[in-house]
Amino acid sequence: EDQVTQSPEALRLQEGESSSLNCSYTVSGLRGLFWYRQDPGKGPEFLFTLYSAGEEKEKERLKATLTKKESFLHITAPKPEDSATYLCAVQGNTGANSKLTFGKGITLSVRP
Amino acid sequence: NAGVTQTPKFRILKIGQSMTLQCTQDMNHNYMYWYRQDPGMGLKLIYYSVGAGITDKGEVPNGYNVSRSTTEDFPLRLELAAPSQTSVYFCASSRRSTGSNSPLHFGNGTRLTVT
Repeated sequence: EDQVTQSPEALRLQEGESSSLNCSYTVSGLRGLFWYRQDPGKGPEFLFTLYSAGEEKEKERLKATLTKKESFLHITAPKPEDSATYLCAVQGNTGANSKLTFGKGITLSVRP
Repeated sequence: NAGVTQTPKFRILKIGQSMTLQCTQDMNHNYMYWYRQDPGMGLKLIYYSVGAGITDKGEVPNGYNVSRSTTEDFPLRLELAAPSQTSVYFCASSRRSTGSNSPLHFGNGTRLTVT
């Protein structure tokens, strides 16, 4: 069974204080690892897909990296508008319509 | 573009009542999904559809039913509401199977309380 563990559960940063969010996973053949951002009262919004170890993707202050066991979402010089819950999900290689397994999310608060 | 639209935004049901959560998308996506999100838990897949007329169970289908008569619409039916169905429900769509560089597009959810 695919599993995703995100840590820490919550993270409070000062504006400009860089940090990383962790997503550890076990999956039977990784088809893709996904990062989503979720604002309060809204649905998740897609950020990145990573497919193989060593891959990196960037978007503004966010950079996602992938190893064979975990993914990191690095946040450089965060701003208050980066406050949100960040979700990690994996898709295993168990069939044409194999499903996503989501982690519980990391709630990030950035203080001005 | 509206994307994925869910109605209603909020609903309170009494135990044993029935209701339908509506979901429509205007992106001509073939794949549609229903998830539930409970506090402190990851999103759980209830049902999904790979095209009009085709649906399949996800991880937590008990107590729910779906239909897919058109590409655009994917309603979720609760027949006999139970307190365990208190949750936030998200509908999502994707152009292809998620593994094909085709991310999920989510609606803004329906918050359901069963008392």
